[in-house]
Amino acid sequence: SQKIEQNSEALNIQEGKTATLTCNYTNYSPAYLQWYRQDPGRGPVFLLLIRENEKEKRKERLKVTFDTTLKQSLFHITASQPADSATYLCASYSGAGSYQLTFGKGTKLSVIP
Amino acid sequence: NAGVTQTPKFRILKIGQSMTLQCAQDMNHNYMYWYRQDPGMGLKLIYYSVGAGITDKGEVPNGYNVSRSTTEDFPLRLELAAPSQTSVYFCASGDSYEQYFGPGTRLTVT
Repeated sequence: SQKIEQNSEALNIQEGKTATLTCNYTNYSPAYLQWYRQDPGRGPVFLLLIRENEKEKRKERLKVTFDTTLKQSLFHITASQPADSATYLCASYSGAGSYQLTFGKGTKLSVIP
Repeated sequence: NAGVTQTPKFRILKIGQSMTLQCAQDMNHNYMYWYRQDPGMGLKLIYYSVGAGITDKGEVPNGYNVSRSTTEDFPLRLELAAPSQTSVYFCASGDSYEQYFGPGTRLTVT
């Protein structure tokens, strides 16, 4: 089955800097990866999806990359703000034609003013 | 447009009791999912449904049951609650790759 690893449990960063979060996958090579944001006491919220043939995708201050050789996705938040503080989850489907989304354990980002 | 709604928000059960967690969506999505989230363990899929009348097991189905009689509703049934079922439960729906989550139900079994 698919395994998603987010190596950092927590990341502290100064306001205004770029935060970079890492997601690695093993076993199945997904056609796309997704990133979600989760605030305490709330359900995850979808942020971005990147396909395997897209090297990079942007949405406002967010940027996601997908390196199929390294089996890795990087999630960047530029000009980070305290409001960006949350847990960020990486996810992919478990196999071709699968309906099962496998999530990483998440990285808790804290942006310090 | 309420999105995905879940009731109750909080519940305390005694060991051996049963209950149903309710989930409804108003986005006309075909796919619906139930997850549990334990501290430090990430989200685990319990059951999912690809349409009314069709359900299937996820990664951690033991101790749970589901039904899907309508597109909108996807209740999760806990029979004979055990302390290991203490968790936060999330329902989600979707019709493409991304999923939309409800606010969650925090369940404690003592």
